[in-house]
Amino acid sequence: DIQMTQSPSSLSASVGDRVTITCRASQSISSYLNWYQQKPGKAPKLLIYAASSLQSGVPSRFSGSGSGTDFTLTISSLQPEDFATYYCQQSYSTPCFGPGTKVDIK
Amino acid sequence: QVQLVQSGAEVKKPGSSVKVSCKASGGTFSSYAISWVRQAPGQGLEWMGGIIPIFGTANYAQKFQGRVTITADESTSTAYMELSSLRSEDTAVYYCARGAGHYYDSSGYPRPYNWFDPWGQGTLVTVSS
Repeated sequence: DIQMTQSPSSLSASVGDRVTITCRASQSISSYLNWYQQKPGKAPKLLIYAASSLQSGVPSRFSGSGSGTDFTLTISSLQPEDFATYYCQQSYSTPCFGPGTKVDIK
Repeated sequence: QVQLVQSGAEVKKPGSSVKVSCKASGGTFSSYAISWVRQAPGQGLEWMGGIIPIFGTANYAQKFQGRVTITADESTSTAYMELSSLRSEDTAVYYCARGAGHYYDSSGYPRPYNWFDPWGQGTLVTVSS
């Protein structure tokens, strides 16, 4: 099975900061990598699919990049509503999520 | 705009079964996969399995094979997830989520595009004696 890791597991940032979260797969998954945002008590929300495609309705400050085993989610200018936990998920084979990265207020 | 509405919270005894429903409205149901993902308290997301209703065949994560059954009723645009032999570790919020359509692999077998949007609101299943 493909394993997913994320780093960091948590980070503290300020409004306006540029934030980067990394996701790594245990083997190549081409571009079959998706990113979700989850706020406490809510269902996850799809942000990015196929590594770099922005889901409809998602602000353009979110972007994704990478292929193979290494991927990045970038928030270009952190907004108050972006404080949440972010998960990567591979869809190359049996779906599997990363452990999550919690973004909180510095 | 597709919406997924799940059934309400459940409290179950160890060893029993639970069946959670997920009703779709506002869009096409049959040709898009429905997956089930669970989240234990304070933990991450775990994919359990999925089904493309028009084809009717479900796929399951190995961890849940033999204990989970996912079905779909096209006539009511509703998907179901039944988990048996419940134990305390199954206490979690269970989500349904729609996949992004399907394609056919080199063998002609339908495969879902497994990125998930939208999601249901979640159903808390508590397993306690």
